[in-house]
Amino acid sequence: GQQLNQSPQSMFIQEGEDVSMNCTSSSIFNTWLWYKQEPGEGPVLLIALYKAGELTSNGRLTAQFGITRKDSFLNISASIPSDVGIYFCAGKNYGQNFVFGPGTRLSVLP
Amino acid sequence: TAGITQAPTSQILAAGRSMTLRCTQDMRHNAMYWYRQDLGLGLRLIHYSNTAGTTGKGEVPDGYSVSRANTDDFPLTLASAVPSQTSVYFCASSDTGGPVYNEQFFGPGTRLTVL
Repeated sequence: GQQLNQSPQSMFIQEGEDVSMNCTSSSIFNTWLWYKQEPGEGPVLLIALYKAGELTSNGRLTAQFGITRKDSFLNISASIPSDVGIYFCAGKNYGQNFVFGPGTRLSVLP
Repeated sequence: TAGITQAPTSQILAAGRSMTLRCTQDMRHNAMYWYRQDLGLGLRLIHYSNTAGTTGKGEVPDGYSVSRANTDDFPLTLASAVPSQTSVYFCASSDTGGPVYNEQFFGPGTRLTVL
């Protein structure tokens, strides 16, 4: 079946630094979603992308739908301690269900 | 609004026993989903329902069954639990009829341990 890869698997950054992570697929998708999950809770939707090349922001978060339609990127600017969590990407093509990546675990050091 | 609620929050179950995980949403979403989350594997789809009265198999359906008698409820049943079903289970829903039709919203999860 389809698989998504997320990079990096985990990252430790200093508070105030910018963060970049990406998600790649072996298949073309028409929708990309980015979620954040905190310990003991369900994933919370951050950003949805529906068009190749699309760049969408949500506060300090910016995500892009790759032009090849096989990748997506999430950037977090000026990280703060509450950004800690696991970030998941999810991709979908027409008539199919979402496929989720394994996640990028973000730790923010004060 | 509550969004999506799941019950129980956690459960320890003896192997061979049956159990039903409950999921209720109050957003009138037509589609609902069950995922399991295991370390390093992300979220894997067990079963889904695009509308009340219909269900479909996801990536890992074996050992699980679902029903969708109405819009709001989507219970997941383990007929005879096995230790490999130890996981965190998430229910999700989405509105497949509007402009944000792809976006799935998740419940808080049920942590299940099968001994």
